[in-house]
Amino acid sequence: AQSVAQPEDQVNVAEGNPLTVKCTYSVSGNPYLFWYVQYPNRGLQFLLKYITGDNLVKGSYGFEAEFNKSQTSFHLKKPSALVSDSALYFCAVSRGGGNKLTFGGGTRVLVKP
Amino acid sequence: DAGVTQSPTHLIKTRGQQVTLRCSPKSGHDTVSWYQQALGQGPQFIFQYYEEEERQRGNFPDRFSGHQFPNYSSELNVNALLLGDSALYLCASSLGSGFGYEQYFGPGTRLTVT
Repeated sequence: AQSVAQPEDQVNVAEGNPLTVKCTYSVSGNPYLFWYVQYPNRGLQFLLKYITGDNLVKGSYGFEAEFNKSQTSFHLKKPSALVSDSALYFCAVSRGGGNKLTFGGGTRVLVKP
Repeated sequence: DAGVTQSPTHLIKTRGQQVTLRCSPKSGHDTVSWYQQALGQGPQFIFQYYEEEERQRGNFPDRFSGHQFPNYSSELNVNALLLGDSALYLCASSLGSGFGYEQYFGPGTRLTVT
């Protein structure tokens, strides 16, 4: 079985400061890891993915994520947060037998001006 | 280029009724997955369709069924609705069902069961 944990329900950060959203995973074998963002009353938007290769993955809107196999983590980062980054962020994993996603519970990000 | 579209946007049903939700995938995509997102939770995988067949299924009862048409669009059917079926139902499409293909999500259908 595969699972994802997002230990923080909410992250508060001031605009212009670095943003980090934490994610840890549990899966047998090599994971495929994803980050999605959800704005109110909207579906999920794909931000980035890790399949293999470089542990630092760059994605949309200035976001990046670092894959750490030893810590089974895939934290999302942004060097300078914007108010418009305020949203709900989901980490997800897929492994084997297709690309079905197992999601974490989500982390709400609030960026204050 | 149209993204994933879903209809209807909102739906209110009564316990015991049946409901059908519809999804059109992103242009060029042939695989459709359905997820249920309860309030305050992450989406949960219901099932996936590829080549008009159910390829994978999550931990959902047989009351949840689906279909994929030759044009790759898909329907999700839920019978004998329960209050607990109230949720946002998300459709996602991808180019294939293999490892690592990112899924593109529609805006969802908000189902309320009273």
